[in-house]
Amino acid sequence: DTEVTQTPKHLVMGMTNKKSLKCEQHMGHRAMYWYKQKAKKPPELMFVYSYEKLSINESVPSRFSPECPNSSLLNLHLHALQPEDSALYLCASSQDDPERYNSPLHFGNGTRLTVT
Amino acid sequence: SQQGEEDPQALSIQEGENATMNCSYKTSINNLQWYRQNSGRGLVHLILIRSNEREKHSGRLRVTLDTSKKSSSLLITASRAADTASYFCPRGYGGSQGNLIFGKGTKLSVKP
Repeated sequence: DTEVTQTPKHLVMGMTNKKSLKCEQHMGHRAMYWYKQKAKKPPELMFVYSYEKLSINESVPSRFSPECPNSSLLNLHLHALQPEDSALYLCASSQDDPERYNSPLHFGNGTRLTVT
Repeated sequence: SQQGEEDPQALSIQEGENATMNCSYKTSINNLQWYRQNSGRGLVHLILIRSNEREKHSGRLRVTLDTSKKSSSLLITASRAADTASYFCPRGYGGSQGNLIFGKGTKLSVKP
């Protein structure tokens, strides 16, 4: 079990749909992350929120829209996705900056997204 | 690229044997972290070693760090089938907060 909860676990959506992925943690962590992982590939960083502010956007297409309503919640809004966006979407959190403050990342189990 | 590079990319051993995987990096670090990912699931943090440490243990895991060679190794002793997973040593870069970047990892297969 993980302390980072992601919902839903599986999602199938059409290219014209709008859906949202949700992530929640109650560890008091101040940084939250979205990673995308294609089959047999490493996780790719998409977004980083630090103290509820977007600090990193790794040139992600605008059809992915992150939102951090409060320090415990992180959403990823999806709109007009393409089949190649099908992947495992992983949320993570950390107490603070993992490099500067020696904070490990805590990952959720991910949402398996299929775009048809 | 500046992410950690794990080596070998694949490793197959028998249960009970030791498994050693390596990680190299290019820039100076404050710490180095190792993660495990079982197939299709989220990643689990295994161990963090700080730049002023040379060796660290956690259960059956032993991590070493050689900052002069910019390399680290993860040793799993007395491996079990449940250790079958991919192992990663992500690295930060660019001075921006929080951007841990993952390399291809080492895919470990432990055969019963």
